[in-house]
Amino acid sequence: SAVISQKPSRDICQRGTSLTIQCQVDSQVTMMFWYRQQPGQSLTLIATANQGSEATYESGFVIDKFPISRPNLTFSTLTVSNMSPEDSSIYLCSVVRLAPNRGFYNEQFFGPGTRLTVL
Amino acid sequence: ELKVEQNPLFLSMQEGKNYTIYCNYSTTSDRLYWYRQDPGKSLESLFVLLSNGAVKQEGRLMASLDTKARLSTLHITAAVHDLSATYFCAVDGSGNTGKLIFGQGTTLQVKP
Repeated sequence: SAVISQKPSRDICQRGTSLTIQCQVDSQVTMMFWYRQQPGQSLTLIATANQGSEATYESGFVIDKFPISRPNLTFSTLTVSNMSPEDSSIYLCSVVRLAPNRGFYNEQFFGPGTRLTVL
Repeated sequence: ELKVEQNPLFLSMQEGKNYTIYCNYSTTSDRLYWYRQDPGKSLESLFVLLSNGAVKQEGRLMASLDTKARLSTLHITAAVHDLSATYFCAVDGSGNTGKLIFGQGTTLQVKP
């Protein structure tokens, strides 16, 4: 499995402010993603973080609200901008990499998540 | 548009009983994941199913995939309290590019 860390693990923020979430992986990966999990809900893909180019956003998510950086193959950031209480969620990064103990095919692993509360 | 539906959404069962969680998806896909999430935790990968007829087992959990029926099942055998968690299936909706579409999740509560 991949070792993925996220910072911060949780935060409480005021309406109108921005928070940047960091995701660090223990080795280089090509594919890295950001997901959102609203309270009591399933996961929704926000965007694909592309190294060396702009992120690719899913329907309903825009760069101005969720700017993403991917400066190298082990690191990415997601910023939640101009926050409102509706942004209160868990934000998770994920990566795709080989899983040798499961037969050497690609598998998607998730970071521990950042629990965001907006007041 | 790819849609993934799980049922049931909530399952309360006694220890020692067997049960099955179903995951239906709406368009062709050849890669299906099952994840476990404990309260306040991230997702733990349980199974990756790659081809029609694939069956994988780990402990009391067994997952299968029928791509023709667009159906995956997660079967729980002789449930124990430690299996209490929320289980998600997820389908790669873009040709194995990693963009996962998740089901709603099934919250399993195993009572002693």
